[in-house]
Amino acid sequence: GDSVTQMEGPVTLSEEAFLTINCTYTATGYPSLFWYVQYPGEGLQLLLKATKADDKGSNKGFEATYRKETTSFHLEKGSVQVSDSAVYFCALRGAGGTSYGKLTFGQGTILTVHP
Amino acid sequence: DADVTQTPRNRITKTGKRIMLECSQTKGHDRMYWYRQDPGLGLRLIYYSFDVKDINKGEISDGYSVSRQAQAKFSLSLESAIPNQTALYFCATSAGQGTETQYFGPGTRLLVL
Repeated sequence: GDSVTQMEGPVTLSEEAFLTINCTYTATGYPSLFWYVQYPGEGLQLLLKATKADDKGSNKGFEATYRKETTSFHLEKGSVQVSDSAVYFCALRGAGGTSYGKLTFGQGTILTVHP
Repeated sequence: DADVTQTPRNRITKTGKRIMLECSQTKGHDRMYWYRQDPGLGLRLIYYSFDVKDINKGEISDGYSVSRQAQAKFSLSLESAIPNQTALYFCATSAGQGTETQYFGPGTRLLVL
């Protein structure tokens, strides 16, 4: 079945540092890929998405590129802020068979940014 | 007002009790989902519904049941709660076919003693 693997956390950075959170996936067909963010005490909200190979999703200074050859969708930001402290989830939307239309999540990566 | 609401936000119950978690949405979406979140495990799908007459099991449906009372309402029940059902529960909605985004409620924190 479909699966998503994220780099283990937690990740602790200083403000203005460069961020990378790795995400790789296993899926049938051509899934859509997502990054969701969960701020403390809140539900998940969509950060960015990509629907086909080589697409780049971007939002709020975050970027991720859909790499089919490496089955990856790594999240990057050039300069993090304290307000980026949250839990980040990589997810895929199944494209084939019994996975169709359902989201499969990675385990989440906790990011803490210090001033 | 929030588009996806969940009640209660926090609940403490005892082993063996029946409890219901409720979800309502004002987004007009046909599709609704229930997930549970456990530390280190991400979110796992419990049940999902693509319209009022459609109910499907997710990957961890044992011990849970659902009811889709209307397009806007989707309830999750624990018939006889057990301690390993202690978790954070999220409801989500999405519009329909295609690469649709899911919109999440704020979550219900459940503790089973």
